[in-house]
Amino acid sequence: GAVVSQHPSRVICKSGTSVKIECRSLDFQATTMFWYRQFPKQSLMLMATSNEGSKATYEQGVEKDKFLINHASLTLSTLTVTSAHPEDSSFYICSAKSRLETQYFGPGTRLLVL
Amino acid sequence: GESVGLHLPTLSVQEGDNSIINCAYSNSASDYFIWYKQESGKGPQFIIDIRSNMDKRQGQRVTVLLNKTVKHLSLQIAATQPGDSAVYFCAEVYNKLIFGAGTRLAVHP
Repeated sequence: GAVVSQHPSRVICKSGTSVKIECRSLDFQATTMFWYRQFPKQSLMLMATSNEGSKATYEQGVEKDKFLINHASLTLSTLTVTSAHPEDSSFYICSAKSRLETQYFGPGTRLLVL
Repeated sequence: GESVGLHLPTLSVQEGDNSIINCAYSNSASDYFIWYKQESGKGPQFIIDIRSNMDKRQGQRVTVLLNKTVKHLSLQIAATQPGDSAVYFCAEVYNKLIFGAGTRLAVHP
């Protein structure tokens, strides 16, 4: 099946720094990519939807200036957590939708902000 | 039996038994539903899906039932194995994919 990768898989950073997470569709072109956040023992919450070449659409309550999303190509979307704080520590998961509308999920990135 | 944890309810079953995981969805306009399995520290893994024009769909050891009248979805796992232990999420799709609350399945030998 289709593969979606994320990098890094784990990251630890100091409070106030910015962290970039990459999401790649390895064997298909993804016109749409999605970013989710998952806190321990909770479900995945959709943060934003990004379409290649256009601005991301953020869900209510998600700060677009804090979570910068760039979808520069049909195989790459990035999420940058700016000025990260301990409350931003979470499991971030991306997914990519193929032209056949099937959505494939990445393995997730665990962010720990100290 | 079932119990409610801090956030995720847990279903405990004996190996070899059948498991039924339930889910209530919110949007009556959702036209596509998916069950995912998530193991600790990993992303969601697709199990089975169903369109809103269907009531039932079967896969290998899994069956999904859809009741649109009460907006209810269930996942049945036959002959549950230890490897089935994970958190299971239902998801509904209407323009975007939204996850339900999740259920932890614990399989005991």
